[in-house]
This record gives sequence, structure tokens and C-alpha cells, in this order.
Amino acid sequence: DVKVTQSSRYLVKRTGEKVFLECVQDMDHENMFWYRQDPGLGLRLIYFSYDVKMKEKGDIPEGYSVSREKKERFSLILESASTNQTSMYLCASTKQGMNTEAFFGQGTRLTVV
Amino acid sequence: RKEVEQDPGPFNVPEGATVAFNCTYSNSASQSFFWYRQDCRKEPKLLMSVYSSGNEDGRFTAQLNRASQYISLLIRDSKLSDSATYLCVVNKNYGQNFVFGPGTRLSVLP
Repeated sequence: DVKVTQSSRYLVKRTGEKVFLECVQDMDHENMFWYRQDPGLGLRLIYFSYDVKMKEKGDIPEGYSVSREKKERFSLILESASTNQTSMYLCASTKQGMNTEAFFGQGTRLTVV
Repeated sequence: RKEVEQDPGPFNVPEGATVAFNCTYSNSASQSFFWYRQDCRKEPKLLMSVYSSGNEDGRFTAQLNRASQYISLLIRDSKLSDSATYLCVVNKNYGQNFVFGPGTRLSVLP
């Protein structure tokens, strides 16, 4: 069974903390993505990566950075967490190609207090 | 204007009803199209891809009109288990750029 695994389901962090969200996929997919999902706003792309050590900004990259040192792992970093980063974070991966399916992790619900 | 727009919903329908969702996209370079389903507090999962010729999977029918940049999903004979949020998704760059619509929530009532 194909899998995208996020390291935590729930996290509570303090304002100003550095936060790491980890995502691992076992499908040898080239592309990996980080989204956040908020009520009324839908899924918004933060960053994506199409290869090891490559990254591209999405629609809302401010306050975030990413790291992809290995093909299977894509990390999202909140440099200094703020309360407006409280959200559901979803990692996804896809194979390169046109009619390719996006597989999602189970999500991490982050609360910044 | 959002790149992918959907009916705002929510849709509340009785069991057995037929319900249609609409989606429009603004980027004519979009290459492939999908409907995803997201249950409450769960991750999105692929429901079906959408092809220009239209495609059907059981009670679900998807249509694509590239000229109008319009995608639709029809659900016939709604079941309680169809209750979920339906996301229209557009792929622009060979799997590198998925754009999600805001979703339309469906509640099928007994």
C-alpha cells in the first residue's frame, strides 16, 4: 500500500519556536508538496520540490522554508512560529507526468499558542 | 480571481438525489484535471480523473470542457456515504503544480 507519512498528527508549539514538520513517501515520487488548509480558504501551496535539493515557492511561502536532502523526505520548517500559522498542514507527493495522482499524508494539525 | 473556482455550497440533498458540482479554471495551459474527495478531518483522496471525452465510474460522471474551461461532477443516486467535501483539482506542469479549488461540501440526508 502506497504511503505518505507525516511525523505528527497534532502539535502544539509556542510563539517564536522553530518547528519542523517531516514528510516521508515510499513511492519513489519525484515531486513533493506542502499545503496548508484553513476553513474557507481551501488548500494553499506553501512550497514544492521536484527533485532532491530543489525547491520552488508556492502561493504562501512567507514564514516557511523547506528542505529536501533525500528523495523520499520533504521537511517544512517554520523559522519562528506565529499564531497565524495555526493550521492543518498536508504533505503530498506525485510522480512526474500528466495524469498523475497526488497522494496525501494524514495531515498535521499545528496549534501555535 | 481564484485560479480554480467551485460552487460555494454546502449542498444538502436527500438520499437517492442526483447532484451536480461545477468548477471553472482560469489557466488555459492546464493539462490534467481531477476530482478529489475529502472526508471530515481526513486527507484528500482521488475520486476520479477527468478526461475531455467525459468519463464515468459507477454513479459518478465527470465532464471537461476545455473551450469553456469548465469541469463538472455528477453524482447519481446519492448515498449517505457520499457526504464529504469535493475538491476540483487542476494540474499545470506534469505533476509539479496542482491547484486545488476551495471545495464544495455535500451532505446527503436520510
